[in-house]
Amino acid sequence: GQQLNQSPQSMFIQEGEDVSMNCTSSSIFNTWLWYKQEPGEGPVLLIALYKAGELTSNGRLTAQFGITRKDSFLNISASIPSDVGIYFCAGHPKNNAGNMLTFGGGTRLMVKP
Amino acid sequence: GAVVSQHPSRVICKSGTSVKIECRSLDFQATTMFWYRQFPKQSLMLMATSNEGSKATYEQGVEKDKFLINHASLTLSTLTVTSAHPEDSSFYICSARPLSSYEQYFGPGTRLTVT
Repeated sequence: GQQLNQSPQSMFIQEGEDVSMNCTSSSIFNTWLWYKQEPGEGPVLLIALYKAGELTSNGRLTAQFGITRKDSFLNISASIPSDVGIYFCAGHPKNNAGNMLTFGGGTRLMVKP
Repeated sequence: GAVVSQHPSRVICKSGTSVKIECRSLDFQATTMFWYRQFPKQSLMLMATSNEGSKATYEQGVEKDKFLINHASLTLSTLTVTSAHPEDSSFYICSARPLSSYEQYFGPGTRLTVT
């Protein structure tokens, strides 16, 4: 099946620092979605991207749909303790007829106050 | 908007019994819902795609007779784990896709423990 490589797997940063994570694929994707999951909860949609090159912000979060349509990144500026969680990228591959999402392995973010 | 609920949030059952988990889209209609399973510190694993009014599509390796899915309306899908065993213990999460949208909204998950 489709594979999404998400990196880094984990990050331990100081409060106030900026964070960057990304997802890459060998295949073309039609959409990119970024989710955050906190312990014991379901993922929450943060940002949805639909066009190559699209850059979208949601508060301190910014995500971009790569020009090649094979990658996407998520940046978090001025991190705060409540940013702690696991961030997942997900997307719909171009050849996906079932509207199923392909997920990355997740980036575990830890923020030190 | 785009709220999905799951019930129960956690359940403990004895081996051999069946457990039903409900997934509801509260403020939108969803012709398609998805059921995932998540092991500790891992990503979500798609189990099946649930389509309103038709049979669910199961991923390879997922037993359709063990994980019964019913999508009776545009706002409700249920997953029944039949004859549960300890290895079925996991975090089960559903998601719903609004009509004419590529986005998926997830429920809060159900923690199943089989003793």
